[in-house]
Amino acid sequence: ETGVTQSPTHLIKTRGQQVTLRCSSQSGHNTVSWYQQALGQGPQFIFQYYREEENGRGNFPPRFSGLQFPNYSSELNVNALELDDSALYLCASSLGGGAETQYFGPGTRLLVL
Amino acid sequence: GEDVEQSLFLSVREGDSSVINCTYTDSSSTYLYWYKQEPGAGLQLLTYIFSNMDMKQDQRLTVLLNKKDKHLSLRIADTQTGDSAIYFCAESPLDGSGNTGKLIFGQGTTLQVKP
Repeated sequence: ETGVTQSPTHLIKTRGQQVTLRCSSQSGHNTVSWYQQALGQGPQFIFQYYREEENGRGNFPPRFSGLQFPNYSSELNVNALELDDSALYLCASSLGGGAETQYFGPGTRLLVL
Repeated sequence: GEDVEQSLFLSVREGDSSVINCTYTDSSSTYLYWYKQEPGAGLQLLTYIFSNMDMKQDQRLTVLLNKKDKHLSLRIADTQTGDSAIYFCAESPLDGSGNTGKLIFGQGTTLQVKP
């Protein structure tokens, strides 16, 4: 167990809707990274938050946005959902910005119909 | 560019050694990682190696790094049925101002362990 929790575990939405996914980081960690894992693929980096500021972003459109709170928990928001957004969304926590060792949560499986 | 490649499938018999291979492209990566993913689960960090090392051993796991060829391997000794999973290697490339914080993952190698 990494101590990283995510909610909800599963979610079904329809195209055009908006979704918010949540992540609680491991105790003592101040950095959260978000990844999208499509079926049969490796995880793709969405963005990282370090001390409540965005600290790097992958090749995802602006309708993917995030927040980090003072307790270092984080949210991933996706607007105008598309069918291709169906995936496992993983968050990872680490200590310090940058590529410190990242510990992953169990993920949220999103299905867009 | 940033790209990590792995073979997609490996099948071994219980008790044999497994070797999973990975190639990466970004020589700036300071750390290289191996993660394990069981069906329906998140990623479990198995081990990592710093880029100035050639080898790291951790119980049944041995990581070998060939920086010249940008080749990383994970050897699992005495493979057990519980080792059946998908194994991902990942690199952590630097940008111009230091680490970006992102991990670049391969597509994953499915390890099947037959009894």
